[in-house]
Amino acid sequence: EDKVVQSPLSLVVHEGDTVTLNCSYEVTNFRSLLWYKQEKKAPTFLFMLTSSGIEKKSGRLSSILDKKELFSILNITATQTGDSAIYLCAVAGGGATNKLIFGTGTLLAVQP
Amino acid sequence: DTEVTQTPKHLVMGMTNKKSLKCEQHMGHRAMYWYKQKAKKPPELMFVYSYEKLSINESVPSRFSPECPNSSLLNLHLHALQPEDSALYLCASSQDWDRGRRVEKLFFGSGTQLSVL
Repeated sequence: EDKVVQSPLSLVVHEGDTVTLNCSYEVTNFRSLLWYKQEKKAPTFLFMLTSSGIEKKSGRLSSILDKKELFSILNITATQTGDSAIYLCAVAGGGATNKLIFGTGTLLAVQP
Repeated sequence: DTEVTQTPKHLVMGMTNKKSLKCEQHMGHRAMYWYKQKAKKPPELMFVYSYEKLSINESVPSRFSPECPNSSLLNLHLHALQPEDSALYLCASSQDWDRGRRVEKLFFGSGTQLSVL
């Protein structure tokens, strides 16, 4: 069965800390791995990773994929209270269809 | 306009009611999706429409009936729901949807929080 597992399930840090969120997967016909940030309701797109070892960066956020070990990490440096959200990892793949399989998410709380 | 708009934001309905959820996007996307998200759980795919045709139905019960009247609109008709159907219903769209070749990033709406009494 295809699965995407994220860790930790939740995390509390203070402003200015650096955090690393993990996503491991076992998905047939892997195509890409995507990270989303979900505040309140709508997940918003952060990164899409297709190739191993190539870091994607956007401001204080960065992510990298390891297709050999089947995992990805999302780093957030100098965290701010606005980074508080659920971070969802999703893998595109899954048999004959091209669909996103989501992990359970990591709830990040950044305290002032 | 990079928004996916969903209405209503909240909906409370009884088990005998018929209601509809609506979703609209004006980004020219040709693929639209319905996801269901229970509290503290990840979104789960329900349906995929590609070029206004139903491409995936993830074995969703028939009390949920999707409809795609045109490429910008997606509806989800609800009838005879059960309390366990209470959840956040998310609509999403992407530029395209290809069964095997390309991955597109999804743009999500803010969802409809549905409560079935």
